Amino acid sequence: EAGVAQSPRYKIIEKRQSVAFWCNPISGHATLYWYQQILGQGPKLLIQFQNNGVVDDSQLPKDRFSAERLKGVDSTLKIQPAKLEDSAVYLCASRLPGLAGVETQYFGPGTRLLVL
Amino acid sequence: DAKTTQPTSMDCAEGRAANLPCNHSTISGNEYVYWYRQIHSQGPQYIIHGLKNNETNEMASLIITEDRKSSTLILPHATLRDTAVYYCIVFGHIFNKFYFGSGTKLNVKP
Repeated sequence: EAGVAQSPRYKIIEKRQSVAFWCNPISGHATLYWYQQILGQGPKLLIQFQNNGVVDDSQLPKDRFSAERLKGVDSTLKIQPAKLEDSAVYLCASRLPGLAGVETQYFGPGTRLLVL
Repeated sequence: DAKTTQPTSMDCAEGRAANLPCNHSTISGNEYVYWYRQIHSQGPQYIIHGLKNNETNEMASLIITEDRKSSTLILPHATLRDTAVYYCIVFGHIFNKFYFGSGTKLNVKP
């Protein structure tokens, strides 16, 4: 079974530029998550999709971050404009809906963003 | 936001059992304990989860105390490839949000 795919793996941009990350979840996984992981910290949930609908975006800085999952499969996370503090690894994860309480998420390798 | 407390780092000799503790004193009755690990430069990987009973799979064992306020992840024979950050997460389906803390950095030494 193919895993969660993410691209690009690395990105370097200057502050105030825009950047987009792409994620293709495991086939059949209805739930998709985007996390931000700052160096030395655990991942922080940015947004959660169920099919093409947003379940939780309470921690997404909506003034600069946006995400979409138009056809309920792959997803794009965008930052516009980027700030220095956005330097982090952006992780995508997906989950197959299962039993209540069973939260086995499968993570991609992440995109490492450096904002200069 | 994290509802768990873990030591910042631990060392373990290769071939020995690694016992990683986690405190979750505010856990409620419908919340599960999950363990994930993150090897350097990779995404987190699911290890095991439990509600009340002890659990074992091919990767590890999970021991949950009777009052459910703490748990221990056991890697029975640690190898160098087990060097990673281990996250203990309390998850309640009703809230549907996963909080990763800072985890425990396990260093397996030859």
